[in-house]
Amino acid sequence: EAEVAQSPRYKITEKSQAVAFWCDPISGHATLYWYRQILGQGPELLVQFQDESVVDDSQLPKDRFSAERLKGVDSTLKIQPAELGDSAMYLCASSPDRHNEQFFGPGTRLTVL
Amino acid sequence: GQQVMQIPQYQHVQEGEDFTTYCNSSTTLSNIQWYKQRPGGHPVFLIQLVKSGEVKKQKRLTFQFGEAKKNSSLHITATQTTDVGTYFCAGPKYQAGTALIFGKGTTLSVSS
Repeated sequence: EAEVAQSPRYKITEKSQAVAFWCDPISGHATLYWYRQILGQGPELLVQFQDESVVDDSQLPKDRFSAERLKGVDSTLKIQPAELGDSAMYLCASSPDRHNEQFFGPGTRLTVL
Repeated sequence: GQQVMQIPQYQHVQEGEDFTTYCNSSTTLSNIQWYKQRPGGHPVFLIQLVKSGEVKKQKRLTFQFGEAKKNSSLHITATQTTDVGTYFCAGPKYQAGTALIFGKGTTLSVSS
C-alpha cells in the first residue's frame, strides 16, 4: 500500500539553527499539506499546495518558515532560525484532490534546545 | 476565526463499555472528517460525512452529522483495547476542498 514518506523522523537542533524536512507524497496526489502538531493538540495547517502552487499559507510564519514543491511532487519545509517554540511534530499529508481524505506521513519530531 | 471543539478531552472506559465523542463547529460545515491517531502514530482517516443528518456505520463505530451541519459525533459500541487512541474531527477551513481545521481530539483509553 502506498504511503507518504517523510524524513528525517527525528531532529534535534539548537535554537537559531536551520532545519529542513522532506516529504514525498503518494504518487499521483496533487494536493500536499504541511501540518504542525503540538502534543495534546490537533494538527494545524502550515501550508497547502495544489501541484506546485501554494493554495494556503496564511498560517505559515513567513519570517522563519518556507516551503516549496518545485516540481509538484516532493516538498521541503524549512525553518530558519529555529526557536524553542517550534518544537513539535511536523506532519505531511497528501490527497488525490482537495475534496478527498488526507493520507498522513509518519511525521518529523523536532526538538529545539 | 472558525473553531472546531471536541468533548471530552479524555475518556477512560472498561473494555466492553461504549464510548462517544462530540464535535462542534462555530460555523456550518460542508462536510466533516474523522481521523484516529494511535499513540506514537499519525492521523489515519476514518470517514467523511457530507449530508445533513447523515449516519454512517463502520462495524462498531457509528458516525453522525447534525441536521444543522455544525456538529457531529462518533460512538463506539463495546470498546476493545484496539480502539485506544485519539479521535479527531476536522472540517474544511473555508469551503469544501480547502485545508482542514482539526479539533483538539478526544483521547480514549481502554482497560481490560
